[in-house]
Amino acid sequence: EDQVTQSPEALRLQEGESSSLNCSYTVSGLRGLFWYRQDPGKGPEFLFTLYSAGEEKEKERLKATLTKKESFLHITAPKPEDSATYLCAVDLLRGAGGTSYGKLTFGQGTILTVHP
Amino acid sequence: DAGVIQSPRHEVTEMGQEVTLRCKPISGHNSLFWYRQTMMRGLELLIYFNNNVPIDDSGMPEDRFSAKMPNASFSTLKIQPSEPRDSAVYFCASSGLEYEQYFGPGTRLTVT
Repeated sequence: EDQVTQSPEALRLQEGESSSLNCSYTVSGLRGLFWYRQDPGKGPEFLFTLYSAGEEKEKERLKATLTKKESFLHITAPKPEDSATYLCAVDLLRGAGGTSYGKLTFGQGTILTVHP
Repeated sequence: DAGVIQSPRHEVTEMGQEVTLRCKPISGHNSLFWYRQTMMRGLELLIYFNNNVPIDDSGMPEDRFSAKMPNASFSTLKIQPSEPRDSAVYFCASSGLEYEQYFGPGTRLTVT
C-alpha cells in the first residue's frame, strides 16, 4: 500500500532556530514529490516539486531535498511568519503506460510554530 | 489570474438538506480535484476529473455525494441528503500539464 508519513507531527522553534521536516514514502513508482504550505483557514499553497533523488529546490528560507525514500524540508533561520502546516504529497506513476493525471497522496502534515 | 474560485465560502445547513459546492478552476488547467479536510482524517481526495471526464471517484464516501464537470471552467460537488458527519472544509484544486495542483480557498460546510 502506498504510504506517505510526515514527522514530526508538530514542531516548535524559536525564531532563528534552523530545523528540518521529514516526509517518508513507501510507493511503487514515484513521478514527483510536492511540498505545500497551509495557513489556518486557507487552502494549501504550492511550494516545490521534486522529481528525482538528489534534486534540491530553494525558496527564501526553505530548501527541499529528495532521496529515494524520503524528502526533507529544511528551514533556515525561521521567522514567525513561517508558522504554518507543511504538507507533502506524492504523485505516482500509474497504469501500463505510467500515465499520471496528477492524483496526489498527501501526508498528515507537520504543524510548525515559530516563536519570536 | 484569479486562481481557483470556490463558492460559497461558508455554508451552514440542516441535516437532510441538499448542498451544492461550486468551483471554477484556473483557465487552461485540464485536471480538477475535489478534497475534503478534517482534523481527524486530514486531506482526502474525493474525486478528480481530467478534461472534464471523471477519472477516479473511489474517494467519494457514499452515494449521497456526486460531482459533475459540465465544461472546462465549472464543477460542482453535491451532497444530498447532508448529514452532520459531512461537516468539513471542502477544497477544489486544479492542475495543468506539470501536475502542480493549485487550491482554492475552500468551502467550510457545517451541517446541524
